[in-house]
Amino acid sequence: GEDVEQSLFLSVREGDSSVINCTYTDSSSTYLYWYKQEPGAGLQLLTYIFSNMDMKQDQRLTVLLNKKDKHLSLRIADTQTGDSAIYFCAESPNSGGYQKVTFGTGTKLQVIP
Amino acid sequence: DAMVIQNPRYQVTQFGKPVTLSCSQTLNHNVMYWYQQKSSQAPKLLFHYYDKDFNNEADTPDNFQSRRPNTSFCFLDIRSPGLGDAAMYLCATSTSPGANVLTFGAGSRLTVL
Repeated sequence: GEDVEQSLFLSVREGDSSVINCTYTDSSSTYLYWYKQEPGAGLQLLTYIFSNMDMKQDQRLTVLLNKKDKHLSLRIADTQTGDSAIYFCAESPNSGGYQKVTFGTGTKLQVIP
Repeated sequence: DAMVIQNPRYQVTQFGKPVTLSCSQTLNHNVMYWYQQKSSQAPKLLFHYYDKDFNNEADTPDNFQSRRPNTSFCFLDIRSPGLGDAAMYLCATSTSPGANVLTFGAGSRLTVL
């Protein structure tokens, strides 16, 4: 079955860049996502990338995809204290109609002022 | 603002006492999901509705049921909660086709005494 793995914890200093890594096993993964969850809240989509792309940039966020190694990363430039949250990597196949989204365990990002 | 609303945000129940969690959406999305999220674990899909069609995950216990009386509302019924059912329950919606972007509610945290 599908499996998505992430490290559990990352600590960075405010102003530094954060890089959160994710690996997945499903070779049919077509869409890969990053979601953010703040304390006591639901998950919020940050960005997603289609599997035929290597990189996607959106303001402070850069997503890199290495399809050969099944590795996805999220880089947050100039990390702020408001970026402290849990970041979930997720993937879904492109099977048409409904596509099941499989989540990783989440990486808790701690930003030190 | 179009959104996904979950009620109650916090639910305390006794072992074996039935519980119903509700979810409503104003997005007019055709797919609705229930996820179970335990601490430091990936959100686990329990089931989803694709329009009126109910789809149960193979490993979802029979103790969990769902109802979707109309497009806007979806309910999660836990018939006989056990201590292991204490978790955050997340409702999400999406629309097909294309990338399966999920819009989540804030979650309902269930405590079982």
